[in-house]
Amino acid sequence: VNLVESGGGVVHPGTSLRLSCAASGFTFGTYEMDWVRQTPGKGLEWVAFISFDGTNKFYAESVRGRFTVSRDNSKNTLYLLTNDLGPDDTAVYFCARQGVRGSFDYWGQGTLVTASS
Amino acid sequence: SYVLTQPPSVSVAPGQTARITCEGYNIGSKSVHWYQQKPGQAPLTVIFSDSDRPSGIPERFSGSNSGNTATLTITRVEAGDEADYYCQMWVGNLYDRVFGGGTKLTVL
Repeated sequence: VNLVESGGGVVHPGTSLRLSCAASGFTFGTYEMDWVRQTPGKGLEWVAFISFDGTNKFYAESVRGRFTVSRDNSKNTLYLLTNDLGPDDTAVYFCARQGVRGSFDYWGQGTLVTASS
Repeated sequence: SYVLTQPPSVSVAPGQTARITCEGYNIGSKSVHWYQQKPGQAPLTVIFSDSDRPSGIPERFSGSNSGNTATLTITRVEAGDEADYYCQMWVGNLYDRVFGGGTKLTVL
């Protein structure tokens, strides 16, 4: 199992970024996936969930209405569109595969998003 | 929202046993998972579903969960176990997967 995130960078507050997570080594289209973020020097925060076929999506209250999770199973890729970024969104964003009972069994290495003026 | 509370730090000498707690209301009724994170690395699952170990995780790592406290126990602690450890659970609705604040394990 391999998960590789990309798309992070330094952006001005109020702008957008699309993060990607390329999956390999497993049948991507049969697994639920999540995004989890970690602010510098701080702990982990769950951000978003998407069902295996993309029909169900759920978000943390802190990002609801600004972030959109999606997936393209034909490309084995997970996405996170992050709109209206603010300083509090500065974090390393990990994609993670859903394991049993709400756990995360595999994680990518993360991509850093910095929202700063 | 549901809160999981971990001690900020735990220190233990090599060869001794480390116990890291995760407190939450009636946490024993839920499944708790534990992750190890070393500096600059992604989290690694060390325990899932309270007490199950993924393949490749040493038997020195074990978990328990009852009442209001879940516990990660590491026996015969080694220098390589030094890391941050996070507990996590699924609250039960599809909106909430909660993490504890993390515990820094220091091997003296």
